[in-house]
Amino acid sequence: GEDVEQSLFLSVREGDSSVINCTYTDSSSTYLYWYKQEPGAGLQLLTYIFSNMDMKQDQRLTVLLNKKDKHLSLRIADTQTGDSAIYFCAERLNDYKLSFGAGTTVTVRA
Amino acid sequence: EAGVAQSPRYKIIEKRQSVAFWCNPISGHATLYWYQQILGQGPKLLIQFQNNGVVDDSQLPKDRFSAERLKGVDSTLKIQPAKLEDSAVYLCASSLALVGYEQFFGPGTRLTVL
Repeated sequence: GEDVEQSLFLSVREGDSSVINCTYTDSSSTYLYWYKQEPGAGLQLLTYIFSNMDMKQDQRLTVLLNKKDKHLSLRIADTQTGDSAIYFCAERLNDYKLSFGAGTTVTVRA
Repeated sequence: EAGVAQSPRYKIIEKRQSVAFWCNPISGHATLYWYQQILGQGPKLLIQFQNNGVVDDSQLPKDRFSAERLKGVDSTLKIQPAKLEDSAVYLCASSLALVGYEQFFGPGTRLTVL
């Protein structure tokens, strides 16, 4: 299957942590990705995790992967106004195509 | 290093008209992708090139969409004739090679079909 599902909206107070969740269906996915899209811009790769890892940390970003439940999450610590954007979860399928979720719109309020 | 360039950034046409989009990938990137992103959805791959050859065009509506990458560098995506449901952002991306490399995205062309 190629369905990647995400919650559509997240509102978070500046300075708090944001957690964006994603579920995917293809258990053979090798890489899972988080992309960020700001208004009027293309997608920017934020981070990725290989399927044999449980966790990856990169500065304010923490990715958790539960392969058994096919669940991926992205935690942004100390969320800033510049983090307001749409965040896409994507899985790399066996034929090397990327399958994207519909995106989670994150709004950071002061 | 210059990023992926796309033009035009915006295009408004009437249904049944034709339109073409242009993409210039990052220098040296062998793989080029065209995605369609409908409002409220994630990008969907339309076609993927490796140099000037098509790797995957299974999601391209071939009755109206065509794409080429003649010299293995720039690419054009054409829609002829356009339908209302073609209104979307068309994203071009490139990567160094087919497997295991990050895809870099351009800013996209926003198409509105009236």
